[in-house]
Amino acid sequence: GAVVSQHPSRVICKSGTSVKIECRSLDFQATTMFWYRQFPKQSLMLMATSNEGSKATYEQGVEKDKFLINHASLTLSTLTVTSAHPEDSSFYICSVSTGRNEQFFGPGTRLTVL
Amino acid sequence: AQSVTQLGSHVSVSEGALVLLRCNYSSSVPPYLFWYVQYPNQGLQLLLKYTTGATLVKGINGFEAEFKKSETSFHLTKPSAHMSDAAEYFCAGGPNNAGNMLTFGGGTRLMVKP
Repeated sequence: GAVVSQHPSRVICKSGTSVKIECRSLDFQATTMFWYRQFPKQSLMLMATSNEGSKATYEQGVEKDKFLINHASLTLSTLTVTSAHPEDSSFYICSVSTGRNEQFFGPGTRLTVL
Repeated sequence: AQSVTQLGSHVSVSEGALVLLRCNYSSSVPPYLFWYVQYPNQGLQLLLKYTTGATLVKGINGFEAEFKKSETSFHLTKPSAHMSDAAEYFCAGGPNNAGNMLTFGGGTRLMVKP
């Protein structure tokens, strides 16, 4: 499998600020990573597919200008929530695709926007 | 389009009783199927997966699932529940074309009573 880390695990910010979340693949060269958000007591919703060296592919309804994704290396993808608002408060989870029909998930980042 | 449905958002069993979490899929071709477990404020951990071959799949922590094409189901079972099994369980499906996308079910919260 793949070991995936996320940083930070929790973040609280004021409305209007930007927050960057890092997703690292510690032991696998990840050409593809995924970003999900999960609201309380709900399932995971795919936000975007992050491909190393190219633009991310966003799911319908996800604002690409608000959720900036950068996948500059095979071990790091970042999600930046720009001008965050309280409705962006959620649990953000990334995953690494190993290309063998499996995804390995990070521990998640709890974002709270005041 | 593919969808994954989990029947029952909450399941409660007594410690030592059988665990049965239901998952049905809808797709034109049998997908690859996965069960994940999520503990509070954590990411997802893979329990087991079905890709090809044997339809009865054994996973970690004593869980197993059986792929039944005729019923388009992939129910998760465990003969004897343990208190530590209390968590959120997600069924997910991905296309069997070596693609990487996963579609998640709505999740089932398993509660284990002493």
